[in-house]
Amino acid sequence: EVLLVQSGAEVKKPGESLKISCKGSGYSFSTYWIAWVRQMSGKGLEWMGIIYPGDSDTTYSPSFQGQVTMSADKSISTAYLQWSSLKASDSAIYYCARLVGTGAKQWLSSWGQGTLVTVSS
Amino acid sequence: SYVLTQPPSVSVAPGQTARITCGGNDIGSKSVHWYQQKSGQAPVLVIYDDSDRPSGIPDQFSGSNSGNTATLTISRVEAGDEADYYCQVWDVTRDVIFGGGTKLTVL
Repeated sequence: EVLLVQSGAEVKKPGESLKISCKGSGYSFSTYWIAWVRQMSGKGLEWMGIIYPGDSDTTYSPSFQGQVTMSADKSISTAYLQWSSLKASDSAIYYCARLVGTGAKQWLSSWGQGTLVTVSS
Repeated sequence: SYVLTQPPSVSVAPGQTARITCGGNDIGSKSVHWYQQKSGQAPVLVIYDDSDRPSGIPDQFSGSNSGNTATLTISRVEAGDEADYYCQVWDVTRDVIFGGGTKLTVL
């Protein structure tokens, strides 16, 4: 069974740094892209970017380029999403998901349970 | 960039059929995927590649895609189907594109 398990909820202050994680199991973690998706309270899904754990190749959504950093450690089947200086507007639930398919047919087959990030002074 | 348009809400009585649309320019030439997100839960894939169902998804869920509209059809709707539904396509620039989501209310 494919599982993505994310790290627990975080409460941070503006300006602090944060790194959340997404650990995969039940499949070859290195060979599937991992996507990160933001969901602000009461809002829809926003794609943030994707990372290929095999070589850490990344693509960021223009909306999130320069705002976050995605990374991965294939030796422990874990992907990360990090912020160097949080803002209140970063408060949201963040999901990781496994991207499957090829070419123009790609979708998110399995999702993590989500990590709630709250940024408040 | 490519835009997917969904109605904000759809309402249906129990036992009836719900149809949720996803509009986009020539979307019929793309592969469309659908996700169900129940309140307080992570999204779940219910349809991929226009009309295929992942294992474990009941056959009450079906999908179609033609022209400028893709449609998720939920037959024999029950209270447990109440959720937000999102369509998604893959863009050639390596972008995942989501629709704005549709809230399905079971009356």
